[in-house]
Amino acid sequence: QVKLLQSGAALVKPGASVKMSCKASGYTFTDYWVSWVKQSHGKSLEWIGEIYPNSGATNFNEKFKGKATLTVDKSTSTAYMELSRLTSEDSAIYYCTRRALTTVAPFDYWGQGVMVTVSS
Amino acid sequence: DIVMTQGALPNPVPSGESASITCQSSKSLLYSDGKTYLNWYLQRPGQSPQLLIYWMSTRASGVSDRFSGSGSGTDFTLKISRVEAEDVGVYYCQQFLEFPLTFGSGTKLEIK
Repeated sequence: QVKLLQSGAALVKPGASVKMSCKASGYTFTDYWVSWVKQSHGKSLEWIGEIYPNSGATNFNEKFKGKATLTVDKSTSTAYMELSRLTSEDSAIYYCTRRALTTVAPFDYWGQGVMVTVSS
Repeated sequence: DIVMTQGALPNPVPSGESASITCQSSKSLLYSDGKTYLNWYLQRPGQSPQLLIYWMSTRASGVSDRFSGSGSGTDFTLKISRVEAEDVGVYYCQQFLEFPLTFGSGTKLEIK
């Protein structure tokens, strides 16, 4: 069955960076975009951006350009997101999710989420 | 960016009753191919979001037929018939017409 297994919670200091992972299984990794979604405490969902594993092509929410870097390792079917220059505003749960290659496919599977806490 | 605005529910909803959640987009989500690019997700307490409805009215695999989606180009409704305890959570609408992909603020459903 399809699974997106994310790395564990992270506690990081302001100004530092954090890199989280999303390991896919149960499907062909290169057939789906991998998106990342932010959920601040008790709030709604924000789409950060997505990456196409086969080519490394990305689409970003302008708000997160310069903040988030998306990469993949096709050999391990793992997607990564690195967040840089962290502030308290980056404290949130981050989900990875996938959608089919067609431009207008929905997010049909989600990871369990990674809680990132930015604190000194 | 396309803004998604969701309405509130008169919580709690009695078990077995119906509940309708509204969502409005700042731009028509009806595309030239005839599809409307509006999705609905449910986030149960402590869980990740899960897909319920896509293209405004198509149920995702394994989703109960108690859930139905309808609407026009800018006004949408998710109807839950005969609400049950497992329906508790926050419901989000999302537009898929253009980047950045955007979500509504969420509508909380509580059951009595």
